[in-house]
Amino acid sequence: GAVVSQHPSRVICKSGTSVKIECRSLDFQATTMFWYRQFPKQSLMLMATSNEGSKATYEQGVEKDKFLINHASLTLSTLTVTSAHPEDSSFYICSARDPGLGVTDTQYFGPGTRLTVL
Amino acid sequence: GESVGLHLPTLSVQEGDNSIINCAYSNSASDYFIWYKQESGKGPQFIIDIRSNMDKRQGQRVTVLLNKTVKHLSLQIAATQPGDSAVYFCAENFNFNKFYFGSGTKLNVKP
Repeated sequence: GAVVSQHPSRVICKSGTSVKIECRSLDFQATTMFWYRQFPKQSLMLMATSNEGSKATYEQGVEKDKFLINHASLTLSTLTVTSAHPEDSSFYICSARDPGLGVTDTQYFGPGTRLTVL
Repeated sequence: GESVGLHLPTLSVQEGDNSIINCAYSNSASDYFIWYKQESGKGPQFIIDIRSNMDKRQGQRVTVLLNKTVKHLSLQIAATQPGDSAVYFCAENFNFNKFYFGSGTKLNVKP
């Protein structure tokens, strides 16, 4: 299957700082990527859809000014958590669909980024 | 047997037995479903998918059943192995490539 990477895998930051997480599709071009957040022992919650060359679309209840998304190329989407607070500590996961696979809508997930805000 | 934990229900099975993991999805308009496996600290891994025009699909050691009447999915794992221990999520697609995940089931395989 298609490979999606994330960087960093783990980050610890102080409250009030901003953190950038990168999501890359390694062997395919992704016009659309998705960002999820997962709290311990809970399911993945879709935060936003990242569209190459246009604005991201956010799910209800997700603050667009808090979670800035940039999808500047067909292989890279970034999520910036601005002015992070301890309640933003979570596991952030991105996914991408490989349109080159044809009719499948399968999404492939990155390995996730563990964010801890002190 | 199956028990309900703090957030995730847990299914414990003996190595070699078959496992059945169930999922209720929310939207009758959903037309595509995927089962994912997630190991601790890792991203979800694709297992098997099924479209709404099918009611059964088989893969290697896994089978997915879809009952649209009651909005229910199940994942059957044959001859469960210790390496199958993980959390399993079903995901439904009803809004152009957006996937919404179920609450998950933790599978614990006892050697």
